[in-house]
Amino acid sequence: GQSLEQPSEVTAVEGAIVQINCTYQTSGFYGLSWYQQHDGGAPTFLSYNALDGLEETGRFSSFLSRSDSYGYLLLQELQMKDSASYFCAVKGGGSQGNLIFGKGTKLSVKP
Amino acid sequence: DTGVSQDPRHKITKRGQNVTFRCDPISEHNRLYWYRQTLGQGPEFLTYFQNEAQLEKSRLLSDRFSAERPKGSFSTLEIQRTEQGDSAMYLCASSLGPINTGELFFGEGSRLTVL
Repeated sequence: GQSLEQPSEVTAVEGAIVQINCTYQTSGFYGLSWYQQHDGGAPTFLSYNALDGLEETGRFSSFLSRSDSYGYLLLQELQMKDSASYFCAVKGGGSQGNLIFGKGTKLSVKP
Repeated sequence: DTGVSQDPRHKITKRGQNVTFRCDPISEHNRLYWYRQTLGQGPEFLTYFQNEAQLEKSRLLSDRFSAERPKGSFSTLEIQRTEQGDSAMYLCASSLGPINTGELFFGEGSRLTVL
């Protein structure tokens, strides 16, 4: 089966940098995805890492270490609108055809 | 560009009643997924379709739950004899083929409250 672990809550101030970690256990690994979800909203895709290293997309970056079964999402120059829940996810299921999500990390950005 | 749409957005029902949710995926997407999400948790996979074929069902999907995608376009998720534990947000997502880039497109969800 698959399991993902991430911190339940993180708090940071506007303008700061925050890192949200994710460790995973999976029988077959194809890549690590990150999603953002604002309260009452739909999860929206942020990034995907299939290979080791850092992927940068604007203020957000995502890192993967396959040997450590570990990844993180890095948010820079935090803004109030970044307050949301962030989920890591891996492909899973019997057919490896769907995504299995972690429980999420609730990020609160303070002024 | 029309995203994934779900209907109804909110449903309040009494225990024991049946409810049905509808999902319209992005038009060219051939894969459609149902997830359930409770407060403070991540989306939990329920089932997914490729075109009209239901390819996988989670063990979470009890026999009171049934999903269909009869023409390979929209899908319905029916819950029979609802229980209070069914109260959750039911999310639909779609993708163009296998999720090789890790990206699913989610709808806003249908929130179910069972009294």
